[in-house]
Amino acid sequence: GENVEQHPSTLSVQEGDSAVIKCTYSDSASNYFPWYKQELGKRPQLIIDIRSNVGEKKDQRIAVTLNKTAKHFSLHITETQPEDSAVYFCAAIYTGNQFYFGTGTSLTVIP
Amino acid sequence: GAVVSQHPSRVICKSGTSVKIECRSLDFQATTMFWYRQFPKKSLMLMATSNEGSKATYEQGVEKDKFLINHASLTLSTLTVTSAHPEDSSFYICSARKGTGLQPQHFGDGTRLSIL
Repeated sequence: GENVEQHPSTLSVQEGDSAVIKCTYSDSASNYFPWYKQELGKRPQLIIDIRSNVGEKKDQRIAVTLNKTAKHFSLHITETQPEDSAVYFCAAIYTGNQFYFGTGTSLTVIP
Repeated sequence: GAVVSQHPSRVICKSGTSVKIECRSLDFQATTMFWYRQFPKKSLMLMATSNEGSKATYEQGVEKDKFLINHASLTLSTLTVTSAHPEDSSFYICSARKGTGLQPQHFGDGTRLSIL
């Protein structure tokens, strides 16, 4: 099955700086990569996703890049704000049902 | 939108009790629903995949007689933790997906289960 690794496990940045979280996957057939944000005690919420036919996608301060050759994808948050503090999960899926989630990154934005 | 409602949000009960958790997709039909368990500061651990009208597919190591899953309609799946014990205490969270293929999962708010 697929194996998704996520780094770093914890990340602290100053408000206004950028944050980058990286995930690698093992199955080259994976073709859909969503990112979820989970605040403490709350549900994971989809923040952005990318399909394998696209190399980059951006939504305001959030962007995701995909390198299919290297089998990695990254989440980029620019101009971070305290409300960006949360745990972020990447996931990989190919065609079928199951999402393979990364281990999560706890992001702290320091005011 | 894609709203998933999970109920109850918190349960505290005695050892040996069976607990039922409901997961509903409010504004879409969910052919597939998923049940996860999440430990503190850990990732989501898939327990089972539930397809409407058929038996759930359980992940390795998850006892299907312990965690009963029913997906009777396109908008409702239930997880019953039977004869719960303290080691079953955890955060259980469901998700639902519209249709098939490359679609995101939409999560419920989760259920905090505490077994005394």
